[in-house]
Amino acid sequence: NAGVTQTPKFRVLKTGQSMTLLCAQDMNHEYMYWYRQDPGMGLRLIHYSVGEGTTAKGEVPDGYNVSRLKKQNFLLGLESAAPSQTSVYFCASSPDTRWEGSGRRSEQFFGPGTRLTVL
Amino acid sequence: AQTVTQSQPEMSVQEAETVTLSCTYDTSENNYYLFWYKQPPSRQMILVIRQEAYKQQNATENRFSVNFQKAAKSFSLKISDSQLGDTAMYFCAFLPREAAGNKLTFGGGTRVLVKP
Repeated sequence: NAGVTQTPKFRVLKTGQSMTLLCAQDMNHEYMYWYRQDPGMGLRLIHYSVGEGTTAKGEVPDGYNVSRLKKQNFLLGLESAAPSQTSVYFCASSPDTRWEGSGRRSEQFFGPGTRLTVL
Repeated sequence: AQTVTQSQPEMSVQEAETVTLSCTYDTSENNYYLFWYKQPPSRQMILVIRQEAYKQQNATENRFSVNFQKAAKSFSLKISDSQLGDTAMYFCAFLPREAAGNKLTFGGGTRVLVKP
């Protein structure tokens, strides 16, 4: 199993350009997430999805859009990139929340990250 | 809303010694999970250890152990017999048991440098 993969690994954009980051998971997980990581601020949730065809806003959703047309894929779009969106982006996935007396189902599995620079 | 605070931006430790990272959190939830994630220079996020709030016994995973103080809302990580490969950013994270979507809240991270 490849786990969680992200495409691309690096990208440089000019202000105003658009792009899409692709996340794919092969673990049949229901939930998927997009985070951004900035120095000293940990990971902040941008958007998430609790199943195919669903999306929801996280902590910092402005300037981003997402889509989950297939269960295994979660796309993050920037319609008009801004320098403030320079960051490292992480995708993650996890099983659903049917607790069975164990925390194992709560674990999130992360992709390797995408470093995005907006000039 | 939950908040997670890691008050130590950076820590250094000699190889084979012990280092303890602090984490405090603020929540009104009674049932939840706490995690420590490791992020080495490769950027990959790796789960180190988890703690279930309803369990009084502190979790351990090999050289990693936690000191979970529910009343004080404290969740520290102890790394024993530190190895060079432990050099990384460490993030504390919180998950309410009934959270819709399994959404984690992360602390700001602590950078650990293990010196030879």
